[in-house]
Amino acid sequence: EIVLTQSPGTLSLSPGERATLSCRASQSVSSNYLAWYQQKPGQAPRLLIFGASSRATGIPDRFSGSGSGTDFTLTISRLEPEDFAVYYCQQYGSSLYTFGQGTKLEIK
Amino acid sequence: QVHLVQSGAEVMKPGASVKVSCKTYGYTFTGYFIYWVRQAPGQGLEWVGWINPNSGGTNYAQKFQGRVTMTRDTSISTAYMELSRLRSDDTAVYYCARDYSSSFGYWGQGTLVTVSS
Repeated sequence: EIVLTQSPGTLSLSPGERATLSCRASQSVSSNYLAWYQQKPGQAPRLLIFGASSRATGIPDRFSGSGSGTDFTLTISRLEPEDFAVYYCQQYGSSLYTFGQGTKLEIK
Repeated sequence: QVHLVQSGAEVMKPGASVKVSCKTYGYTFTGYFIYWVRQAPGQGLEWVGWINPNSGGTNYAQKFQGRVTMTRDTSISTAYMELSRLRSDDTAVYYCARDYSSSFGYWGQGTLVTVSS
């Protein structure tokens, strides 16, 4: 089973700043099968990025994904107040899915 | 417009079984996998398994094998997840989600299952 480790656990930034979230895999992940989600309290997660770098429908272009192999990054170019939430990475391989433990993005 | 609507909250006794439904709207039900994901209070996301609504084929996370059963009723575009031999650590919000390029693109609202004596 591929283990995903996200860092940092908590990221404290101000609106307008740039956020960089990391997701590291214990084994190589096909770039086609790495996704990022945003979750706000009391809500279901929302798909942001699939295939490591493709934005899902309706996702603003301030969100971008990159990476390959074992290292992946979610970047939010200029934080808006609504972006403060928990972010999860997720991978698919050999018919199995795993999530990272999450990064909490909080207002500084 | 794709929409997934789950059944309501449940309170169960330890050792019992619970069955959660996920009714889908706005697309061809048999065309996309349905996934189940759970989230314990204050914790992260955990994949439970998937069902192929076309064939009925399933795949479960090893942790849940032997206790989880996923089924579907194509006549009403609804998927089900049944979890048996419930324990207190099964207390969680259970989500269904529809496939989107091997990711979870559309989510239900979640069903809180509380296991308590």
